[in-house]
Amino acid sequence: QSALTQPASVSGSPGQSITISCTGTSSDVGGYNYVSWYQQHPGKAPKLMIYDVSNRPSGVSNRFSGSKSGNTASLTISGLQAEDEADYYCSSYTSSSKGVFGGGTKLTVL
Amino acid sequence: EVQLVESGGVVVQPGGSLRLSCAASGFTFDDYAMHWVRQAPGKGLEWVSLISWDGGSTYYADSVKGRFTISRDNSKNSLYLQMNSLRAEDTALYYCAKERGVVVITYAFDIWGQGTMVTVSS
Repeated sequence: QSALTQPASVSGSPGQSITISCTGTSSDVGGYNYVSWYQQHPGKAPKLMIYDVSNRPSGVSNRFSGSKSGNTASLTISGLQAEDEADYYCSSYTSSSKGVFGGGTKLTVL
Repeated sequence: EVQLVESGGVVVQPGGSLRLSCAASGFTFDDYAMHWVRQAPGKGLEWVSLISWDGGSTYYADSVKGRFTISRDNSKNSLYLQMNSLRAEDTALYYCAKERGVVVITYAFDIWGQGTMVTVSS
């Protein structure tokens, strides 16, 4: 299974909003509402931020939101804060009953 | 406290074998499917394998199929990954992760361990 496509890096200033895209195919992102997003700080385990395209786990800030259109899912972070600086990964269920991740996006808070 | 603790990572020679373990606590282990996910040094995340709550169904990434075997012992709240015919490209930090869904497996990983490092090198 091919990795989902994410931009290598994005950046924004504190208080701004940014969006990270995650592009797949109709066999993964486009075919199912099973896209999730993870935040990973250096040296730490990933943390689930969004599941099933747009749902937030308990305890995750409502500044994080997810959406999907066709074969592309998106993670939006509003009111950017310094602690949001991290790597972000999308993942999806696939038609072969396997999982696939995106290549990851490094978010820099300027 | 909900927790996953991996163990078993070491340095192993190419062609060698290794068994990773993951001890779960703080949740009803046999209610949930479990996954292994790996991350090569400086690289992104790669899904490796899934096992259903009862061990009856297993799935593998193409990169490990035929070489790795996932299993679980619900009586011990433990998950395992048997790794055979190891290659240099299997070098990575291996995480066990809990599936969020109960009835439907959605490949959302809501609890992660801290990982155990496997290095394949001569």
